[in-house]
Amino acid sequence: QQQVKQSPQSLIVQKGGISIINCAYENTAFDYFPWYQQFPGKGPALLIAIRPDVSEKKEGRFTISFNKSAKQFSLHIMDSQPGDSATYFCAASMWLFGGATNKLIFGTGTLLAVQP
Amino acid sequence: GAGVSQSPSNKVTEKGKDVELRCDPISGHTALYWYRQSLGQGLEFLIYFQGNSAPDKSGLPSDRFSAERTGGSVSTLTIQRTQQEDSAVYLCASSPPVSGKSTDTQYFGPGTRLTVL
Repeated sequence: QQQVKQSPQSLIVQKGGISIINCAYENTAFDYFPWYQQFPGKGPALLIAIRPDVSEKKEGRFTISFNKSAKQFSLHIMDSQPGDSATYFCAASMWLFGGATNKLIFGTGTLLAVQP
Repeated sequence: GAGVSQSPSNKVTEKGKDVELRCDPISGHTALYWYRQSLGQGLEFLIYFQGNSAPDKSGLPSDRFSAERTGGSVSTLTIQRTQQEDSAVYLCASSPPVSGKSTDTQYFGPGTRLTVL
């Protein structure tokens, strides 16, 4: 119930194309769904995040689509660029009373390669 | 400002030795997390600190793993009697004080790559 399943494991997209990465979860108590971007040798960095009270959030070329009933969410990267080549992780978290834990449960990652 | 820093960046040790990994969070961040990133395993939560106390230690894989935080700042992750399966990148993250019913952004350091021979 604590798992977040992510697909695909790897993705190759042409420059200018749309990259789509999908995640699914089981625990309906999750209330925060961030996406992290990681370049080789670096720590993950927050890209964009959504809460379940909205179905879509857009920041520049990056959009999260959220389907609460299906317990799925996805990252769309529009006009993909070679600089977007990185590993992307979806994650989920829940707020517990008193801030007892805010740990992130991560998906297994998607290695994106954008070809010029 | 300065981000989360970790040291050493790389650590090679022999099986059975103890290692200490250090994390310096962003100034003013009260929450601190340790995660482990193994090849093909994604990021795995280890422990969460709020101030100097650790209300969630549920991810520590065995009693060989321990962590402490002092002065509400620096944290040290200690692995005793290291095993080859401990080889991984150990990541530290910090976040600002919890504000109401929210989950604040976690800012990650560059990690410490641990290799156990």
